[in-house]
Amino acid sequence: KQEVTQIPAALSVPEGENLVLNCSFTDSAIYNLQWFRQDPGKGLTSLLLIQSSQREQTSGRLNASLDKSSGRSTLYIAASQPGDSATYLCAVSTGGFKTIFGAGTRLFVKA
Amino acid sequence: DAGVIQSPRHEVTEMGQEVTLRCKPISGHDYLFWYRQTMMRGLELLIYFNNNVPIDDSGMPEDRFSAKMPNASFSTLKIQPSEPRDSAVYFCASSLQGATNEKLFFGSGTQLSVL
Repeated sequence: KQEVTQIPAALSVPEGENLVLNCSFTDSAIYNLQWFRQDPGKGLTSLLLIQSSQREQTSGRLNASLDKSSGRSTLYIAASQPGDSATYLCAVSTGGFKTIFGAGTRLFVKA
Repeated sequence: DAGVIQSPRHEVTEMGQEVTLRCKPISGHDYLFWYRQTMMRGLELLIYFNNNVPIDDSGMPEDRFSAKMPNASFSTLKIQPSEPRDSAVYFCASSLQGATNEKLFFGSGTQLSVL
């Protein structure tokens, strides 16, 4: 059974700092991995999607990497801003296109 | 496209009542997912459909929960009878996942409170 774990559970950083969020999964047989952002009381927004054959994806200040063999992914946020404060969730898509989520990392960027 | 549309946004009901949550996926998407989110258990997949057919309902917690997708543009999640422990945010999501490079799009969710 696929399990997704995210570390840390919460993170508080000063504005301008670069930071890394971690995600690990137990079964390397995945189709893709997505990083989502969730603001309080809102739905989830997909930020980046990495296909199983890819190693990384970049969008603006965000960079996500995937090491499928070791079951790990990282989300790198450069020059963090208060507007980046949210919960970030990692999700893997497995056989049958089932998408399983981690518990998320709550990020707070202090101005 | 307006995105995934869920209704109602908030639902407050009393224990024992029937609750129906509704979802309209993005037009053209052939996969539809129902998730439940709680503080204790995070985001749990309840059931998903492909081309209106339920593929995996192993996440549905009990027989009190049922889901249907009568056509490509509408799905319902029903709880009957509802219990206080069903209180959660229920999300619907859709995707065009014939390939491996399609993102999952979420609705805004239904906040369900069972008193």
